[in-house]
Amino acid sequence: QSALTQPASVSGSPGQSITISCTGTSSDVGGYHHVSWYQQFPGKAPKVILYDVSTRPSGVSTRFSGSKSGDTASLTISGLQADDEADYYCSSYTSASTVVFGGGTKLTVL
Amino acid sequence: QVQLVQSGAVLKRPGASVKVSCKASGYTFTSYGISWVRQAPGQGPEWMGWVNTPNGQTQYAQNVQDRVTMTVDTSTATAYMDLRNLRADDTGVYYCVRDGPAGEIFFEYWGQGTLVTVSS
Repeated sequence: QSALTQPASVSGSPGQSITISCTGTSSDVGGYHHVSWYQQFPGKAPKVILYDVSTRPSGVSTRFSGSKSGDTASLTISGLQADDEADYYCSSYTSASTVVFGGGTKLTVL
Repeated sequence: QVQLVQSGAVLKRPGASVKVSCKASGYTFTSYGISWVRQAPGQGPEWMGWVNTPNGQTQYAQNVQDRVTMTVDTSTATAYMDLRNLRADDTGVYYCVRDGPAGEIFFEYWGQGTLVTVSS
């Protein structure tokens, strides 16, 4: 199972919005609603910020939103803040009853 | 509160085996599955497999299925991940993670991670 494809890096200024894409296939992202997104700071465990494409766990800011079209899912962060600077990973359930992660995107807040 | 507490860091030689434990508390252990996710230095997470805590049923990732065994001890609410025939590229942080609510496939709670270093 190949990793999902994410841009290696994105950047934005405080207050702006950015979008991170996550491209898979019809056997994973395109075939299932079980796409989730994780935020990870250096030396820490990942933290789920979205699941089922667009559902936010309790306590996660409404500035994080998600969508999916075909084989590509997207994470949008609006009103960018300095403490959003982190690595972001998508993941998806697959037709093989496994889970695959994306390669990760480093977000830099300028 | 939900807690997953893992065993400590280990150094192993190539060809050896490692067994990582994950003790759960703060919830009913058999109500949620446990997955294992590893992360090599500077790399993204990699899902290794899942164990159904009520019955021990497992599902493994293809690239480790011949070398990994995931088990649970419901009497102590502890999950275990055993990886055999270690290689240098098995070096990384290993996490146990609790699944989301029933039917939800995402990783809601993470252990603190166990650093496994494979080196001669």
